[in-house]
Amino acid sequence: GAGVSQSPRYKVAKRGQDVALRCDPISGHVSLFWYQQALGQGPEFLTYFQNEAQLDKSGLPSDRFFAERPEGSVSTLKIQRTQQEDSAVYLCASSLGSGGRETQYFGPGTRLLVL
Amino acid sequence: AQSVTQLDSHVSVSEGTPVLLRCNYSSSYSPSLFWYVQHPNKGLQLLLKYTSAATLVKGINGFEAEFKKSETSFHLTKPSAHMSDAAEYFCVGGGNQFYFGTGTSLTVIP
Repeated sequence: GAGVSQSPRYKVAKRGQDVALRCDPISGHVSLFWYQQALGQGPEFLTYFQNEAQLDKSGLPSDRFFAERPEGSVSTLKIQRTQQEDSAVYLCASSLGSGGRETQYFGPGTRLLVL
Repeated sequence: AQSVTQLDSHVSVSEGTPVLLRCNYSSSYSPSLFWYVQHPNKGLQLLLKYTSAATLVKGINGFEAEFKKSETSFHLTKPSAHMSDAAEYFCVGGGNQFYFGTGTSLTVIP
């Protein structure tokens, strides 16, 4: 596709439910990033993939958060046993090259609300 | 370590007047710096990027930013604000990952 796409765009979950958020990066982009954006805040880094390898997961807030990119293209961010503090917009970005110095192209985000 | 600081959480200007959004950076090496804009319910869009090729960087929609090493600044400017410029603006430092500032909300008064 022409840009980064994410699905679903909106997700409402009951506390304790598991959720899975999908990201389709721009075709051919090596790097993929996940960010969490709380209301009124700037995005915060969660994790980074170079192809299928997860090179940095230092931003994942707890072991309830898990991300994968098994074939080096589509990525899924999974949150287990969701909590209210997980409510945020989850942004995915991709870049052609590797590392954080390249331009990142962002998807529209998935807005997660945990009740 | 690298970080960016946006000095104003909110800026309000009248339509047709200049815009200045301030950003300072800290980095132990030559940084990559970006400005992104986020309109309500829209994705983040790249305005411009500093890559060390030129200190004055021109971006889309008439925006530009000047990298000043002596002041560790990368302020975003536009000569004349338009109503459509109202949005949230993020200064971003690039290193091993992206480091976002806290954002500046720009209001344009008709």
